[in-house]
Amino acid sequence: GPKVLQIPSHQIIDMGQMVTLNCDPVSNHLYFYWYKQILGQQMEFLVNFYNGKVMEKSKLFKDQFSVERPDGSYFTLKIQPTALEDSAVYFCASSLEGAQDTQYFGPGTRLLVL
Amino acid sequence: GEQVEQLPSILRVQEGSSASINCSYEDSASNYFPWYKQEPGENPKLIIDIRSNMERKQIQELIVLLDKKAKRFSLHITDTQPGDSAMYFCAAKPGANTGKLTFGHGTILRVHP
Repeated sequence: GPKVLQIPSHQIIDMGQMVTLNCDPVSNHLYFYWYKQILGQQMEFLVNFYNGKVMEKSKLFKDQFSVERPDGSYFTLKIQPTALEDSAVYFCASSLEGAQDTQYFGPGTRLLVL
Repeated sequence: GEQVEQLPSILRVQEGSSASINCSYEDSASNYFPWYKQEPGENPKLIIDIRSNMERKQIQELIVLLDKKAKRFSLHITDTQPGDSAMYFCAAKPGANTGKLTFGHGTILRVHP
């Protein structure tokens, strides 16, 4: 089936530093999403993105978070500066335009902030 | 916002028997209910979904039921196999104007030979 890739699979970073999580969505998909999963809890919606703009974001999408997809390259989530509570698994997802409902997920990036 | 409750958190069944996972939601505007299966270290994979204009959907051994009045939906796996062992997540999408999925906490299913 459709595959979403995420790079890196793991990232360890010191608190206060910047981190960029990269997502390579399904090639013809135009809607992109980030979800956050803390160990033992459910995935929680952060943000969705279409046509170069943030469409929706949740309370978890703090001011330190930003997303972009410059020139059709990776869809990125940047956290600057990072905080201890940002430690989690971050899942990227994508869906087709006009069929937003079916979201395909990547394998996640495990972020540890020390 | 939408909240989704999922039970049980752990489910152990014997190979060949059925397994059922139940979810409930709060927002009556929710209109799309996907189920994802996640194996260790892998991405969540969509296995079946149901929209609010349906009450039942079956794909091979997977059956999903939706009761809009009670705001409940459920996944039933008939004739379980060891390969069905995984984490299962239900989710709900509150309306046509949002792409946001709200997930349940997940159910760990273990199918014993």
